[in-house]
Amino acid sequence: NAGVMQNPRHLVRRRGQEARLRCSPVKGHSHVYWYRQLPEEGLKFMVYLQKENIIDESGMPKERFSAEFPKEGPSILRIQQVVRGDSAAYFCASSPLDSLNTEAFFGQGTRLTVV
Amino acid sequence: GQQVMQIPQYQHVQEGEDFTTYCNSSTTLSNIQWYKQRPGGHPVFLIQLVKSGEVKKQKRLTFQFGEAKKNSSLHITATQTTDVGTYFCAGGRGAQKLVFGQGTRLTINP
Repeated sequence: NAGVMQNPRHLVRRRGQEARLRCSPVKGHSHVYWYRQLPEEGLKFMVYLQKENIIDESGMPKERFSAEFPKEGPSILRIQQVVRGDSAAYFCASSPLDSLNTEAFFGQGTRLTVV
Repeated sequence: GQQVMQIPQYQHVQEGEDFTTYCNSSTTLSNIQWYKQRPGGHPVFLIQLVKSGEVKKQKRLTFQFGEAKKNSSLHITATQTTDVGTYFCAGGRGAQKLVFGQGTRLTINP
């Protein structure tokens, strides 16, 4: 049973480029969450998606960041025109349909470095 | 918005000593979850507490949820080198929109 798969594991981008982070949830899970972790800090919620719907994006920066979870394929977190402050570990998590009474399964993360 | 604070931020112990980390929320929590993250790794779920005053044990780990559902603790008895990592508490509604504490980083002297 594959867990949450994220790729790439490491991503280096120059300032101004775009970063695309992919997340395939656990098979059968319909809820996906993205979190950002700065060094020596806890994880900060960014966005909660179900298939083809954004449920809660209250943690997403207003500009340059977007997320989707299409009917087919992985969830994508897209960061346009990256800046040095975007350097962080980005974790995706998934949960099954009944997300109120279950844990979140985390992927191994994408470490984004902006140079 | 809801804030979750954890203390201490760092803890260094000798192998065999006990370890405790504390978690406090600014608001009443529906439930609290605990995660462990090894250096360079990802958060791994340890446990979820739901009921007021709940106590759960996993081998050498004891988790408590306060009566007012605003605080929680994780206690490790007789630490081992495999316990090294950062322990996070997180409040939320199940898996949805978890609010994480800053974590307590545990290092152990063998």
